[in-house]
Amino acid sequence: DQQVKQNSPSLSVQEGRISILNCDYTNSMFDYFLWYKKYPAEGPTFLISISSIKDKNEDGRFTVFLNKSAKHLSLHIVPSQPGDSAVYFCAASVGNTGKLIFGQGTTLQVKP
Amino acid sequence: DAGVIQSPRHEVTEMGQEVTLRCKPISGHDYLFWYRQTMMRGLELLIYFNNNVPIDDSGMPEDRFSAKMPNASFSTLKIQPSEPRDSAVYFCASRVQGAGNTIYFGEGSWLTVV
Repeated sequence: DQQVKQNSPSLSVQEGRISILNCDYTNSMFDYFLWYKKYPAEGPTFLISISSIKDKNEDGRFTVFLNKSAKHLSLHIVPSQPGDSAVYFCAASVGNTGKLIFGQGTTLQVKP
Repeated sequence: DAGVIQSPRHEVTEMGQEVTLRCKPISGHDYLFWYRQTMMRGLELLIYFNNNVPIDDSGMPEDRFSAKMPNASFSTLKIQPSEPRDSAVYFCASRVQGAGNTIYFGEGSWLTVV
């Protein structure tokens, strides 16, 4: 039972263009969502988060959008840079336990 | 500031052997999580502790897996006996209550069971 789904295993974009990574969830009790970035041979690192009371959160080049009715969130990276090439994980949680349920990840490649 | 520290970074062991993975959480953090990453299942939560007490171990795959947290600065994940399907990257993560739901990961322990 995959509660958090990232249906695109990979994405390739040109440097300077927008990268859009998508995530869907099934549990309507989720009230906090996060994106993590992971480089090879390293642990995931926190990127950006959003509470269910908001529909958008922005941090520099990174913006997360939440559509609760569609149970969908997306991460926009503008402009994309080669250093953004990594695996991106979407995660969701209920309440304040910190227990995160992760998606399968999307590998982003940004080409120079 | 020291992050989450895991050891060993890499381990190759033979099927049937006992494997012990170790984790030191960030000082002051009161939650500790063990995750496993595989190609098939992605990042899955195995178990988490709050103030050294196991809260949810529903993700532990079977009785061959056990985890302990004897004090606030140390946790172990043990597999006995190990099997080839246990080959994965095992991550430890920690967080502090009141600082949102962000958890901080270690660099992982790469386990290969042959």
